[in-house]
Amino acid sequence: NAGVTQTPKFQVLKTGQSMTLQCAQDMNHEYMSWYRQDPGMGLRLIHYSVGAGITDQGEVPNGYNVSRSTTEDFPLRLLSAAPSQTSVYFCASSRHSRSNQPQHFGDGTRLSIL
Amino acid sequence: AQRVTQPEKLLSVFKGAPVELKCNYSYSGSPELFWYVQYSRQRLQLLLRHISRESIKGFTADLNKGETSFHLKKPFAQEEDSAMYYCALGEFNTGTASKLTFGTGTRLQVTL
Repeated sequence: NAGVTQTPKFQVLKTGQSMTLQCAQDMNHEYMSWYRQDPGMGLRLIHYSVGAGITDQGEVPNGYNVSRSTTEDFPLRLLSAAPSQTSVYFCASSRHSRSNQPQHFGDGTRLSIL
Repeated sequence: AQRVTQPEKLLSVFKGAPVELKCNYSYSGSPELFWYVQYSRQRLQLLLRHISRESIKGFTADLNKGETSFHLKKPFAQEEDSAMYYCALGEFNTGTASKLTFGTGTRLQVTL
């Protein structure tokens, strides 16, 4: 049981390039989300999904797109990478969207934009 | 808007000393509060949540609505407690999805 799997673990991009960060969970969780972690700012919610076909914006959605075509997968797309998007990205899932559910996190993707 | 404040970036204590990691929140509704922990080279994971009123690895946290605080406490620190700790606040609303707001985190360093 892998839980939440994120790929890649590390990536370096040039400004203007596009990229997709992959996230998959094998727990049949309804709720999935993406966070970015920056020094001194904690984790900030980018986008989230309460089920297949349903997504919504979090606190810092600009520059990112998401889709949820299946329950298992929730990819995060950077349309045109900018240095301000240099960060560590975490994907998380929970059984359902009620806020008392514990979040299960992936290992993170460390992304550098040059 | 929700806000979570963890005033200390780093808390350094000796082994066996008491630990208190501070967390204050700002939220107009009924809060759901959590502590998450990230040990070195491990994933961020749930430590405890206020609705469970449980003790995990010797840690407890009591929600104080009057002081809007959810401090994490342990009477005797162990070396293995060294980690990054995040306080998180979730909305309590049956009609909407969870949006967790995290604090900036406190690194706990337990030394001999």
